[in-house]
Amino acid sequence: GAGVSQTPSNKVTEKGKYVELRCDPISGHTALYWYRQSLGQGPEFLIYFQGTGAADDSGLPNDRFFAVRPEGSVSTLKIQRTERGDSAVYLCASSANPQETQYFGPGTRLLVL
Amino acid sequence: AQTVTQSQPEMSVQEAETVTLSCTYDTSESDYYLFWYKQPPSRQMILVIRQEAYKQQNATENRFSVNFQKAAKSFSLKISDSQLGDAAMYFCAYKTSYDKVIFGPGTSLSVIP
Repeated sequence: GAGVSQTPSNKVTEKGKYVELRCDPISGHTALYWYRQSLGQGPEFLIYFQGTGAADDSGLPNDRFFAVRPEGSVSTLKIQRTERGDSAVYLCASSANPQETQYFGPGTRLLVL
Repeated sequence: AQTVTQSQPEMSVQEAETVTLSCTYDTSESDYYLFWYKQPPSRQMILVIRQEAYKQQNATENRFSVNFQKAAKSFSLKISDSQLGDAAMYFCAYKTSYDKVIFGPGTSLSVIP
C-alpha cells in the first residue's frame, strides 16, 4: 500500500513569510507525528496527534509553529513569520496506534532565505 | 529525561565485511522499544530493525542483527556481508508505548568497494 507522503518536497521562502507543510499518513493510521531534522542531526520531535487531537505538542519551539489534523487523517504544519533558523527537513510519521512502529515520509526540505 | 547516544559519528566498512554500530540510551522506564533507522541521501527514514525491551532474544532481520544489553542500556547494530546500498546515516532510536521517538545523533556509514 501507499506510504506516508509529504508535500511539497522542497519549499523556499523568504524570512517573515507564512508556510504550510502537508502530510498524508498511511491509510487507517490513527497516530501522526511531526519531527524536525536540522543538517547533520537526528530528528527532533515537534508534535503528536492521536486522531484529531494533539496528544503532545511539547516539541513545538514557539507559538509561530502550529499543526492541525481536522479529520484525523491529513495533517498540516503551519509556520508563521518564518526565520532563517527554521530551515530544516520536516519529517512526518504515522503508526497504526501509538504502540506500533512509526513509518516516515520523505520529508519537506524548508529553506528560509 | 530519556537520551540516546551514538558515539561514532562516522564508520566505514569494506564491502562484504561486517560492521557494528554502537548505541547507548538512558531511561528509567522498564517497558520500551528500540529501533535502528537508516536514512540514505534521499532523506527517507527506513526502519531497519525493532526490539521490544521485554524480549530477551536479540532481533534479527536478514543481514541485520542487534546486541541488546538491557542492564547496560546498550543496543548495537551488526551489519553482515555489507553491501554498497547499506551506505547511509543510521539512527538509533528509543520509544515508550505512548510517546514520541527519541533519536540519537546518527552514524554515517560508508561502504568501500
